Amino acid sequence: DVKVTQSSRYLVKRTGEKVFLECVQDMDHENMFWYRQDPGLGLRLIYFSYDVKMKEKGDIPEGYSVSREKKERFSLILESASTNQTSMYLCASNPRGQTYEQYFGPGTRLTVT
Amino acid sequence: LAKTTQPISMDSYEGQEVNITCSHNNIATNDYITWYQQFPSQGPRFIIQGYKTKVTNEVASLFIPADRKSSTLSLPRVSLSDTAVYYCLVGPPLLYNQGGKLIFGQGTELSVKP
Repeated sequence: DVKVTQSSRYLVKRTGEKVFLECVQDMDHENMFWYRQDPGLGLRLIYFSYDVKMKEKGDIPEGYSVSREKKERFSLILESASTNQTSMYLCASNPRGQTYEQYFGPGTRLTVT
Repeated sequence: LAKTTQPISMDSYEGQEVNITCSHNNIATNDYITWYQQFPSQGPRFIIQGYKTKVTNEVASLFIPADRKSSTLSLPRVSLSDTAVYYCLVGPPLLYNQGGKLIFGQGTELSVKP
């Protein structure tokens, strides 16, 4: 089974802090994705990466950056956390050429106070 | 961008067939349609995907009319464990270098009752 793990299930940070959310997949997938999920808005794509050191902006990249130094790891960075970034963050991965069947992690519930 | 619209919620009873429709009037020629299931405190799980006509797998069927402006996820004989949120996703086959966007619908909360 594909396993996508996220570093924390719950995280509480203060406004202005730099926040790192880590995602690791164990299936040698080329593609990795970061989404945020908010009530009434569904899932929205923040960033994705199709190879090591490669990244593409999704629908809502503002206020976020990403890092992909190793194939199995994809990090989401909030340079200066704000309260409107309080959300559920979901990481996903899949093999190259297979955009739709994504494997999701359990999510990180981030609260910024 | 292909915006999607789904019913907010649906109720059903065990053993019934459930059909959830997603509207995507502005679907692009190269967009595919994918459905996911999500339980509380878990990430979404892939159910089925298609481009046109009908697709069937071991858990569901996906019906797409010729104009592709909507799609219907069909769950045969639902059980209590099918209670979840179902998302419709419309997007192009290649994300990178095309400026394509993945659009998730707001989800349909399906409640299956005994």
